[in-house]
Amino acid sequence: DIRLTQSPSSLSASVGDRVTISCRASQTINNYLNWYQQKPGKAPQVLIYATDTLQGGVPSRFSGTGSATEFTLTITSLQPEDFATYFCQQTYTPPTTFGQGTRVEIE
Amino acid sequence: DVQLVESGRGLVQPGGSLRLSCEASGFIFRAYWMHWVRQVPGKGLVWVSRSDSDGKTTYADFAKGRFTVSRDNAKNTLYLQMNSLRAEDTAVYYCVREQYDKSTNYAQFYDFWGPGTLVAVSS
Repeated sequence: DIRLTQSPSSLSASVGDRVTISCRASQTINNYLNWYQQKPGKAPQVLIYATDTLQGGVPSRFSGTGSATEFTLTITSLQPEDFATYFCQQTYTPPTTFGQGTRVEIE
Repeated sequence: DVQLVESGRGLVQPGGSLRLSCEASGFIFRAYWMHWVRQVPGKGLVWVSRSDSDGKTTYADFAKGRFTVSRDNAKNTLYLQMNSLRAEDTAVYYCVREQYDKSTNYAQFYDFWGPGTLVAVSS
């Protein structure tokens, strides 16, 4: 199975900060990399799919970049509602796998 | 609006069985591939199984031989029959709809998730 490693595992930031989360794949996954946001007690919600395509309704402060094995989720100007856990997912090779998550906390 | 609602949560003894249901509404259920994904509270997400729109099913290695996914398109319902349950199966189980985007070379992603149902396996 393809292993996805996110870094950092957690971070503290303030409202208005720029936040970057990385996701590294154990082998190339083309651009089949998705990002999800999960708030406590809730199901995950897709933010970005296919590396850089913003899901409808997701604010433009979220963006994704990357290729092959290295991917990044960026949140420009962090908002109070963005404090959550973020997961990456690859759908290039079955079975689909997820990163271990990055928790974004209030500093 | 698209809705997925899981049911069947419960406390089960090791070796026991449980069937989860996921009632779908707001979309043409029979046209979509559906998945089960689980999450130990506070931990990561793990894919469990998939039911294709044509009835084909696939499973994670840990689910093979113990779990069976099925669907009733007439009832817009997805099921997960879980047998020989182990303590490590304790998790929140999510019913998930798969979407794909033709403009991104059919990249797949999960666009709708149910709220999840908790399965606890303990003596």
